[in-house]
Amino acid sequence: AQRVTQPEKLLSVFKGAPVELKCNYSYSGSPELFWYVQYSRQRLQLLLRHISRESIKGFTADLNKGETSFHLKKPFAQEEDSAMYYCALSGYSGSARQLTFGSGTQLTVLP
Amino acid sequence: SQTIHQWPATLVQPVGSPLSLECTVEGTSNPNLYWYRQAAGRGLQLLFYSVGIGQISSEVPQNLSASRPQDRQFILSSKKLLLSDSGFYLCAWSWTGGTNEQYFGPGTRLTVT
Repeated sequence: AQRVTQPEKLLSVFKGAPVELKCNYSYSGSPELFWYVQYSRQRLQLLLRHISRESIKGFTADLNKGETSFHLKKPFAQEEDSAMYYCALSGYSGSARQLTFGSGTQLTVLP
Repeated sequence: SQTIHQWPATLVQPVGSPLSLECTVEGTSNPNLYWYRQAAGRGLQLLFYSVGIGQISSEVPQNLSASRPQDRQFILSSKKLLLSDSGFYLCAWSWTGGTNEQYFGPGTRLTVT
């Protein structure tokens, strides 16, 4: 079975401070991981995917297979980063690919 | 480009009444389609997914059902709503094959009274 854990329900940082949102996963195969973000009154949207090794809005996330983690990081948080963040794992359940989401972390960036 | 629509945006229904939520996708063919329920502090729970017309897989036994009458249409239904069916329902689509990144609709806020 696949599982995603986001240990922090709430996270507050000050503007300009570094931020790290934690994500750990459990999956027996080769994982495909994503971060989704939901800003206030907007729809859930893809932020970044691990296979792209990209930086989006200053955020990066590195897949660490040894620690089964995919933490999201940004060196200098901005107020507009305040949102709900979900880590998601794509894997097979039976013959179908499914996306399993963590319970989310509400990030608040204080002025 | 692809777009996904859901309606209605909000719905208030009495206990025991039927439900029909609709989701449509534009700009792609044969997408995988999904229904989720989003609960505060509990993330997204996958309810149903479909890989083609008439093909529905259920993840959680419950009072709801799903149908896919057309390639880009996905419907969430109930014959008799329960109070516990209240929540925020999201529809999503993904490409067939390739990565499994999913794209979400705006959601429907359902309140059962």
